[in-house]
Amino acid sequence: AQTVTQSQPEMSVQEAETVTLSCTYDTSENNYYLFWYKQPPSRQMILVIRQEAYKQQNATENRFSVNFQKAAKSFSLKISDSQLGDTAMYFCAFQTGAGSYQLTFGKGTKLSVIP
Amino acid sequence: EADIYQTPRYLVIGTGKKITLECSQTMGHDKMYWYQQDPGMELHLIHYSYGVNSTEKGDLSSESTVSRIRTEHFPLTLESARPSHTSQYLCASSTGIGSPLHFGNGTRLTVT
Repeated sequence: AQTVTQSQPEMSVQEAETVTLSCTYDTSENNYYLFWYKQPPSRQMILVIRQEAYKQQNATENRFSVNFQKAAKSFSLKISDSQLGDTAMYFCAFQTGAGSYQLTFGKGTKLSVIP
Repeated sequence: EADIYQTPRYLVIGTGKKITLECSQTMGHDKMYWYQQDPGMELHLIHYSYGVNSTEKGDLSSESTVSRIRTEHFPLTLESARPSHTSQYLCASSTGIGSPLHFGNGTRLTVT
């Protein structure tokens, strides 16, 4: 079974600074998908970014980018120019490329952006 | 913005009551899921469905049941609520492999 580990339960960053959230996973598969989700306080969980394992190029979405290291099974999220609205729980998730549609989530990292 | 709706948003109910948490999506997604989110915010899959009349239990054992009679509707029922059922319940849907999950706003259930 796949596992997803987020080793930072809580982090904080000054507004306008850059922060990196860590995620590692364990799988024996070669084809899979990785996601970062954001859950603001009392609000809906939304997708931040998605990465396909067979693509070497790191995904980017505006201020959000990933550092995908397939051999190391690492999938970190970098948030540039942090804004107060980035304050949220961030979840890393893994999906196998075959068989199951389910996502396996990490335990989350609580990010606080300080003004 | 994902078109997936959960009602009620908040529910406080007494022990022993039967409750149904509603989840509907207008995106035509085949796959639907129920997650229980504990106070530490960790997500646990409790039920999923890959289509009409298809339901399976997830990784976390749950006393709840689900049904999937229509593609757009995936309700979760607790026959007899207990304080241990107090939690946030998140419904989600997706189209398939590689596609992200779209989440509803969640139902925060408190059983007294």
